[in-house]
Amino acid sequence: QKEVEQNSGPLSVPEGAIASLNCTYSDRVSQSFFWYRQYSGKSPELIMSIYSNGDKEDGRFTAQLNKASQYVSLLIRDSQPSDSATYLCAVRGAAGNKLTFGGGTRVLVKP
Amino acid sequence: DVKVTQSSRYLVKRTGEKVFLECVQDMDHENMFWYRQDPGLGLRLIYFSYDVKMKEKGDIPEGYSVSREKKERFSLILESASTNQTSMYLCASRQGNYGYTFGSGTRLTVV
Repeated sequence: QKEVEQNSGPLSVPEGAIASLNCTYSDRVSQSFFWYRQYSGKSPELIMSIYSNGDKEDGRFTAQLNKASQYVSLLIRDSQPSDSATYLCAVRGAAGNKLTFGGGTRVLVKP
Repeated sequence: DVKVTQSSRYLVKRTGEKVFLECVQDMDHENMFWYRQDPGLGLRLIYFSYDVKMKEKGDIPEGYSVSREKKERFSLILESASTNQTSMYLCASRQGNYGYTFGSGTRLTVV
């Protein structure tokens, strides 16, 4: 079992709809959770961080964390063609400094 | 904003050459990381450093070494480049419990 798992996609959504991305992790004592957006040929860019159970909203993005079920999700509201990218979920365990990344979900927003 | 600068955007090297990839960050971060990213394999951690002259192996350290003589600079060294080291190399830095900031990446081709 991979430490951090994501559906590779592509997740195709019409413009203006909500894109819902999921990520599960295996380390039950993970502390910190991050979502990165990566455009083709570019490096990952941090878009959301979440540390406690519940929802966290930032603009059109909402991150949701459920530690009991070991999943974290990202909602993109009012999806735009510029949201077309690969979204990486990253998890930091209880010990150590490193992040473990999922394989990423490719999102395609169609006009 | 934190800036992480990688010295080269594209590099082409010959098999057997010694290759240096340089990374500099400007925000006094303690933690620095080197990843490689390959299609279908995602981001894989090569080495990381949590302080000057300190280094720890990541998941795929074979064929690589690192140097951190100053806090702001973290170098990745390919002792004898091989074709299977053709990849996108990403440097990142982090402070505290925040997410990584990535550099723009170096696309290395070994011929």
